[in-house]
Amino acid sequence: GQQLNQSPQSMFIQEGEDVSMNCTSSSIFNTWLWYKQDPGEGPVLLIALYKAGELTSNGRLTAQFGITRKDSFLNISASIPSDVGIYFCAGPGTYKYIFGTGTRLKVLA
Amino acid sequence: EAGVAQSPRYKIIEKRQSVAFWCNPISGHATLYWYQQILGQGPKLLIQFQNNGVVDDSQLPKDRFSAERLKGVDSTLKIQPAKLEDSAVYLCASSSLAGRGVHEQFFGPGTRLTVL
Repeated sequence: GQQLNQSPQSMFIQEGEDVSMNCTSSSIFNTWLWYKQDPGEGPVLLIALYKAGELTSNGRLTAQFGITRKDSFLNISASIPSDVGIYFCAGPGTYKYIFGTGTRLKVLA
Repeated sequence: EAGVAQSPRYKIIEKRQSVAFWCNPISGHATLYWYQQILGQGPKLLIQFQNNGVVDDSQLPKDRFSAERLKGVDSTLKIQPAKLEDSAVYLCASSSLAGRGVHEQFFGPGTRLTVL
């Protein structure tokens, strides 16, 4: 079945550093969404992408819709401690909505 | 605007018991989703409603799980009987039918279920 694979699985970074993570699929997606989940809470939508090649920013976050439509990237600039959490990519698959495997981000102050 | 409400937040039961979860979506959102999130994994869609009709329930274990959204607003998810492997967080989300918003889901805080 369709899957969304995220890398890295987890990462430790120093406060102030930039972060990059990606999400790949074996099949085409027409919409990519990025969510963040804090411990004990539900995911919160960060950015939605609707067009191949699209680059969208939300504050210090920037996401890109890959031109092959099989991948997407999320960058966080100048990380701060509250960026800690799990980042998920997601999208409407052929038959059902799918979430990725997640990237766990830990920021060292 | 009020967010997605879920209750209870936590539930501990013994295997073979029954449990029910409740969700109230954002006002006006026609689409409602129930997800199961096992520790360390991404959410897995169990069932999707549009108004009071089922859009997808292909991953719902129908021998023990059931869900309803009778009036097209709030929804309940039931497990009967529960198994140890049902221990997870159950997330409810909703989205609108308007344009691109159809894909932008808003989640509740979830119900953490522990089956002993």
